Parts: sequence; structure tokens; C-alpha cells
Amino acid sequence: QKEVEQDPGPLSVPEGAIVSLNCTYSNSAFQYFMWYRQYSRKGPELLMYTYSSGNKEDGRFTAQVDKSSKYISLFIRDSQPSDSATYLCAMITGSNTGNQFYFGTGTSLTVIP
Amino acid sequence: EPEVTQTPSHQVTQMGQEVILRCVPISNHLYFYWYRQILGQKVEFLVSFYNNEISEKSEIFDDQFSVERPDGSNFTLKIRSTKLEDSAMYFCASNLVVQQFFGPGTRLTVL
Repeated sequence: QKEVEQDPGPLSVPEGAIVSLNCTYSNSAFQYFMWYRQYSRKGPELLMYTYSSGNKEDGRFTAQVDKSSKYISLFIRDSQPSDSATYLCAMITGSNTGNQFYFGTGTSLTVIP
Repeated sequence: EPEVTQTPSHQVTQMGQEVILRCVPISNHLYFYWYRQILGQKVEFLVSFYNNEISEKSEIFDDQFSVERPDGSNFTLKIRSTKLEDSAMYFCASNLVVQQFFGPGTRLTVL
């Protein structure tokens, strides 16, 4: 079983739609959960990170963690064409000594004007 | 805003040759990483580096790979004898605590 599972999509939505991106994981030791956005041929860019279960909001983006279900989500409200990118979830067990970041495969999102 | 930089942006090499990929992490960061992303595939962890030594490495990071922090700013990935399957984007990343910042990547093409 992979450490982190993410539906690769592709996902195509009309502008203004609410987008839901999800990852599941198997390692209950994961403590920190991150969402990255990656444009084509660029490096991943950190959008948000969360530590505990619950919701964290930043503008149009909301990250949600459910540790009991080992499930994390990223919601994008009022999606824009500029949100078209691949979204990667990542997680680590701790914040010290260079812990390995485990990435999902990424979900490709296209927002159609 | 500080950023991770990588050089070169694109490296073309012949199979069997050695390549060195260079990275300058963000100056006050303590943890440094190399990742690989084969075209169309996931970001794969190669190695993490802290306090001048390797913290963790994946099974991909075999004896042909090595990392070094030769001075206070650079962080390098050396591939001793490149294979065709080493063709990929190589990303350097650094962090102080949890927030990890990626460089723009080096596209390595092995012919």
C-alpha cells in the first residue's frame, strides 16, 4: 500500500466552481499535512500546511484534515483559470532532522473560463 | 522574498557521464532535500541533509548518487555514471521547520 494516495484526475471545472481535492494516507504517524501547487515545468509551490485535524482557511483555499479517517482535502472556492495546475498533497511525521516528505501523485486541475 | 535557486536549468549529458546539479537553499534554512520528478509522474524523494550529513535517503538514492554542502551556501547532487532512466526534473528544496520551499528545478536529459 502506498503511503499517500491521490486521485491523479484530470479534473476539469468551469470558472467559479468549488473544487475538492483529496488525499488518503496509511501512516498514522503523519503529523503535518501540506498542499502544493505545481505549474507545468515549475517547482512545487507551498499553498498551505496544517498540523492538527480540522480546517484551515486562507483566502479562497481551505485545507481540511481528518486524522481519524486518514483523509485530507483542499477546497478551492470561486475557482479561476489561474488555478489550473497540478495540486500535490504532502505529509511528514515530524518537523525535525529532515524528515522525508511523502508526496501524492498530484491531481491535474483545469478551470475553464 | 528569499528563494531556492538551482543551476543549470537544463543539463544534457551522455550516458555514463558524471553530472553535478547545484542548488543554493534559502540562507537561514537548516534542512535540504533533493527530489526527482520523471515527466508526468510524481515527485519522488531522494535524500534529505541536515547538520552536514544525510538524514534520510530513499531506495532511489543508490551508490551512484552523492550530496555535498561544500561551503555555506551551495548544496549539490552528483550522479556519478548517468543512466537513461536518470532523465528527469531534479528539484532542490529547503526548510527551517515545516514549510518546505522548492527551487525551479534542473531538467536532466541523458542521451
